[in-house]
Amino acid sequence: GQNIDQPTEMTATEGAIVQINCTYQTSGFNGLFWYQQHAGEAPTFLSYNVLDGLEEKGRFSSFLSRSKGYSYLLLKELQMKDSASYLCAVLNQAGTALIFGKGTTLSVSS
Amino acid sequence: EAGVAQSPRYKIIEKRQSVAFWCNPISGHATLYWYQQILGQGPKLLIQFQNNGVVDDSQLPKDRFSAERLKGVDSTLKIQPAKLEDSAVYLCASSLRGQETQYFGPGTRLLVL
Repeated sequence: GQNIDQPTEMTATEGAIVQINCTYQTSGFNGLFWYQQHAGEAPTFLSYNVLDGLEEKGRFSSFLSRSKGYSYLLLKELQMKDSASYLCAVLNQAGTALIFGKGTTLSVSS
Repeated sequence: EAGVAQSPRYKIIEKRQSVAFWCNPISGHATLYWYQQILGQGPKLLIQFQNNGVVDDSQLPKDRFSAERLKGVDSTLKIQPAKLEDSAVYLCASSLRGQETQYFGPGTRLLVL
């Protein structure tokens, strides 16, 4: 079976840095994705990690440790528009479909 | 490049009625997915197509849900008859071959009364 855990809610202020953690237990691993989903909208791709280490893309970075079954998404210089749900997803054993966590709702205040 | 298109965007029906959703993936994407997202949850895979063949439909409630992708491009997802617990957003996604990034459509919000 596959299980993906992430915090339900987080709050932060504009300009701050926030780290959203994700732990996973899967029978196989073929990569981990982070998606952003604004209320009422479709998920949009943020990052993909398949090897250990940090992937940086502008204000967003994602880290993966396969031995620990752990990933985090780091958001820097937070803006109000970053208020959204952040979904951690693992590619299933066959390496085809995504298994999603329940998402972390981030609220950014001024 | 046009994104994944879905219609309708919203649908309200009564329980025991039938409903159909349509998806047009990104041009050239061989793999198409239908996900169900219940409020407060992450998307859950219902069915995956590779071209016009089914790769995974293990989580599709086949007594009431059906899906097809006859020509390997557009796809339809049908629910018949609908139950209250089918109220959710139905997301369509596509990827180039299957292991790459999946791109999502805007979804269809279904409310079953």
